[in-house]
Amino acid sequence: GAGVSQSPSNKVTEKGKDVELRCDPISGHTALYWYRQSLGQGLEFLIYFQGNSAPDKSGLPSDRFSAERTGGSVSTLTIQRTQQEDSAVYLCASSPRLGTGGPTGEQFFGPGTRLTVL
Amino acid sequence: TQLLEQSPQFLSIQEGENLTVYCNSSSVFSSLQWYRQEPGEGPVLLVTVVTGGEVKKLKRLTFQFGDARKDSSLHITAAQPGDTGLYLCAGARGRSNYKLTFGKGTLLTVNP
Repeated sequence: GAGVSQSPSNKVTEKGKDVELRCDPISGHTALYWYRQSLGQGLEFLIYFQGNSAPDKSGLPSDRFSAERTGGSVSTLTIQRTQQEDSAVYLCASSPRLGTGGPTGEQFFGPGTRLTVL
Repeated sequence: TQLLEQSPQFLSIQEGENLTVYCNSSSVFSSLQWYRQEPGEGPVLLVTVVTGGEVKKLKRLTFQFGDARKDSSLHITAAQPGDTGLYLCAGARGRSNYKLTFGKGTLLTVNP
């Protein structure tokens, strides 16, 4: 079956431009997560959605970052006025619902969007 | 401050050798997961351990969760080139079990 898909796979932009990254979760998965993976760093939690609401936005690095989810499915991560330090791989993951599969449910990851800010 | 410290950061071995990678913390986790990530792909879950002292085996891979639930190890027996990848540990704490804290990973290369 189809896994988590993300688009674009690569994005090169100029400093100061806005970018939108898209995530299509696995059909039926109500929980959706965004992470950032920088060179030499582990995955950094950004935000999660349960349905269309985002109860925890604490990982967003600054107010230039925002995310939304519509129809309980597709999610978009928007970075405004991009900076060079925003360069990273942005990973999206989904799970059937929060907490399924035991104390910590499996998160299914997409391939990521590699963002390069020149 | 990195909550989960993984070691070694890089490991290059020959096919057939055994290896152990470690994931350590001063914090207690309610559960801990190990993922493997290949270039250009997202991490894929290998195992979840939830009980202190728990040992899980997945073919040639053995995972152990420390008694105090602060550390974990992954042991691979007779490594194969297909084991090459970035191994990540991730911990969940308390009620925020959706918010995984990841280590920086161990990049394993198994040479034929």
